[in-house]
Formats: sequence, C-alpha cells, structure tokens
Amino acid sequence: DTGVSQDPRHKITKRGQNVTFRCDPISEHNRLYWYRQTLGQGPEFLTYFQNEAQLEKSRLLSDRFSAERPKGSFSTLEIQRTEQGDSAMYLCASSPSRLSTDTQYFGPGTRLTVL
Amino acid sequence: AQKVTQAQTEISVVEKEDVTLDCVYETRDTTYYLFWYKQPPSGELVFLIRRNSFDEQNEISGRYSWNFQKSTSSFNFTITASQVVDSAVYFCALSDLKTTGANSKLTFGKGITLSVRP
Repeated sequence: DTGVSQDPRHKITKRGQNVTFRCDPISEHNRLYWYRQTLGQGPEFLTYFQNEAQLEKSRLLSDRFSAERPKGSFSTLEIQRTEQGDSAMYLCASSPSRLSTDTQYFGPGTRLTVL
Repeated sequence: AQKVTQAQTEISVVEKEDVTLDCVYETRDTTYYLFWYKQPPSGELVFLIRRNSFDEQNEISGRYSWNFQKSTSSFNFTITASQVVDSAVYFCALSDLKTTGANSKLTFGKGITLSVRP
C-alpha cells in the first residue's frame, strides 16, 4: 500500500508567479487535508475535503489560495500571485473514512521558496 | 480554542540515554484524541501513536512509551536507550472528537528537536 504522495517536492518561484501543487492520497481514503508548516513551527491547518467536497477552510487560506479535489481522489492546491510570506512546506494528509477520529497520514510535503 | 504546548524546543542526548519529550494540551472538549508524530530530516511526518481521552493507560511500543495524565493535561513521550536514528523533530497534536462528517483538523505544538549523538 503506497503512502501519500506529493508533487513537486521542491518549488522555487519568483514573487507574483502562480504555483500549483498536487497531492495523491492513500487509495480509498475519503478525507484529504492540507497543512502549511513554516520554519520552526508545527503544521497549521489550511483546508480539508470529504471526497470531492471542500468542507472547511482556515482563515489562513487567503483568496489567493484555492484547493480542489475534482473526482474525490487527488487534490491540487494553487497559490496565485505568490508572496515571500508564502514560503513554507505544504503538507497533505489523508485519512481512511468519514470518522473524524481516524489517524491522518502525511505525505513528504512540497517545499515552496518564493524569491 | 485548542492549544498544544511543547515547552522544550531542543534536546540533545548521548546515544543510549533515556529522554522524555513533554506535551501539555488545552481543550474545552471532554472527548478528544492526542497524537505524536516524528519528522525526520526528510520532512515527512510519521505517525507514532494515537490515544483517546478515555484511555489513560500508559502504552509501550518497543523503546517508546507514552504517559497520558488527564489530570495535568499532559501526554509525554519517552524514548528508552535512544539511538542516532531517533534524531528528528517530534510533534504532539490534538484533535477533538466531532460528529461523523465534521472536521477533525489537528492542532500541533511547535515541535521538539531531538539530537542523539553517538
């Protein structure tokens, strides 16, 4: 059983550019989460999906951020007009069922550097 | 609001020493889950343990053990006979128990960087 995968692993971009990250959850996991982790901090929740429905967004997710999970499988996170403050590790996690108590399993993350 | 405090920021030990990582949490919920994750230099968060608020039994898994004390809102993690491969950042996290279909986002502490020297 493969784990959560994320692509790319690293992204360097110039301020003002748009970037898109992809997350492939563990097969048949219904829930998918995005977190952001800055240097020296723990991950912070951004948003989550139950199948294809985006059910909650953190106030950290400004209007420059958008996430989709069109067929309830993989998800994309897009950042428009990137800013230097967006530099962080973006982590994706999935959990196996609709139960809120299930463990979240994390991918390796995408490290974004905005120059 | 939920909060997780990991007061220790960095710990350095010599191989084979025992080390305890502290975690204190705050929540108004009566039912919740606590987690520990390990983040090695590669960056991926590795799940270690999940404990619900009704189960205060200590747990041991090999060299790892966890001490959950609801009275002091603490969920501490001990590594016995530490090894160099234990070097990583360790995160404690909290999730409240909600109805099916509702979010169970994790609230993380800031992490503890453990360095185990040979």
